[in-house]
Amino acid sequence: EDQVTQSPEALRLQEGESSSLNCSYTVSGLRGLFWYRQDPGKGPEFLFTLYSAGEEKEKERLKATLTKKESFLHITAPKPEDSATYLCAVQAPDYKLSFGAGTTVTVRA
Amino acid sequence: GAVVSQHPSRVICKSGTSVKIECRSLDFQATTMFWYRQFPKQSLMLMATSNEGSKATYEQGVEKDKFLINHASLTLSTLTVTSAHPEDSSFYICSARDPGEDSAFFGQGTRLTVV
Repeated sequence: EDQVTQSPEALRLQEGESSSLNCSYTVSGLRGLFWYRQDPGKGPEFLFTLYSAGEEKEKERLKATLTKKESFLHITAPKPEDSATYLCAVQAPDYKLSFGAGTTVTVRA
Repeated sequence: GAVVSQHPSRVICKSGTSVKIECRSLDFQATTMFWYRQFPKQSLMLMATSNEGSKATYEQGVEKDKFLINHASLTLSTLTVTSAHPEDSSFYICSARDPGEDSAFFGQGTRLTVV
């Protein structure tokens, strides 16, 4: 059974204080690893897909990296608008996504 | 990114009634759509996979007679919660796979409250 573990559960940052979120996974046949952002009461918003170890993708203040066992989401100089829950998911060969519990990030001005 | 529209965003219904939730892919054809359920402060749990023109595939523990899924076209899937009870109250979210981008995009979610 695919397993996805995210840490920490919650992260409180001061504006401008960079940090990283971790997503460790075990999956039989990884098609891709997805990162999403979810705001309260909304559906997840797609951020990145990573396919192979060593791959990196960036979008504004966010950078995602992938190894064979884990992925990191780096937030550089965060702003209050980066406050959200960040979800990691692994995609199996049948395209099903298995999600982690998420990391809730709060950025204080 | 691709757009997936889910409707309604909120619904309140009486116990014993049925509720239909629609999920549409607006700018791509989705042969596969997925339905999730999310409880407060928890992650998304896959309920079923909806394939256009065929029966849905349900995850273990999900009652297929309670959660009816229809994927009648390449852009529309519906989830009907039948004979709803208060324990069915939850946040339901659909996603659609865009083969062109090989990514999964999510709808806005539907907050169902059964009273």
